[in-house]
Amino acid sequence: ELKVEQNPLFLSMQEGKNYTIYCNYSTTSDRLYWYRQDPGKSLESLFVLLSNGAVKQEGRLMASLDTKARLSTLHITAAVHDLSATYFCAVEGGGDSNYQLIWGAGTKLIIKP
Amino acid sequence: NAGVTQTPKFQVLKTGQSMTLQCAQDMNHNSMYWYRQDPGMGLRLIYYSASEGTTDKGEVPNGYNVSRLNKREFSLRLESAAPSQTSVYFCASSLQLVGQGIMNTEAFFGQGTRLTVV
Repeated sequence: ELKVEQNPLFLSMQEGKNYTIYCNYSTTSDRLYWYRQDPGKSLESLFVLLSNGAVKQEGRLMASLDTKARLSTLHITAAVHDLSATYFCAVEGGGDSNYQLIWGAGTKLIIKP
Repeated sequence: NAGVTQTPKFQVLKTGQSMTLQCAQDMNHNSMYWYRQDPGMGLRLIYYSASEGTTDKGEVPNGYNVSRLNKREFSLRLESAAPSQTSVYFCASSLQLVGQGIMNTEAFFGQGTRLTVV
């Protein structure tokens, strides 16, 4: 059974600092997604990582995927208040799970001025 | 671009009442999903439909039924609502073609339905 673990689950940080959110998963998968959710809102797709070594960047966020280590990271550079949100990773399961997305519990990120 | 549309956005039910949550997508996606989101629990899959004409149970199907009415629409029904079903419900869709090769499993979400059962 594929399990997805995010850490930390809660992160409070100051503006201007760098930090990394980790997403570990338990079985082989080549596809991983990062989503953002603002309070009271829906989930918005941030990054699609489709192969080992994939790296995507947008603004102050950069996501990477290491399928051999079964690890993805979401790195925040010089954080700003607007990045405060909950971030979810989701991993595509294999045929046994009918290729469903298995979700991490989410990381609630608060960035203080 | 409408994407995934859910109705209603908010609903209050009394215990034992029934209701149907509606979901429609205009992206010609094959797969559709219903999730519930509870504080601190992340997203939990209730039911999904890999393609038109098929539905399957997810992680937490008890107390719910679904109908894939056509390729665009996927509804979720609560037959006898219970306070434990108080949650935010999200419908999502993806292009995914099960059995014909994976094309794209990226999920696109509706705006959510905030349901309270009293």
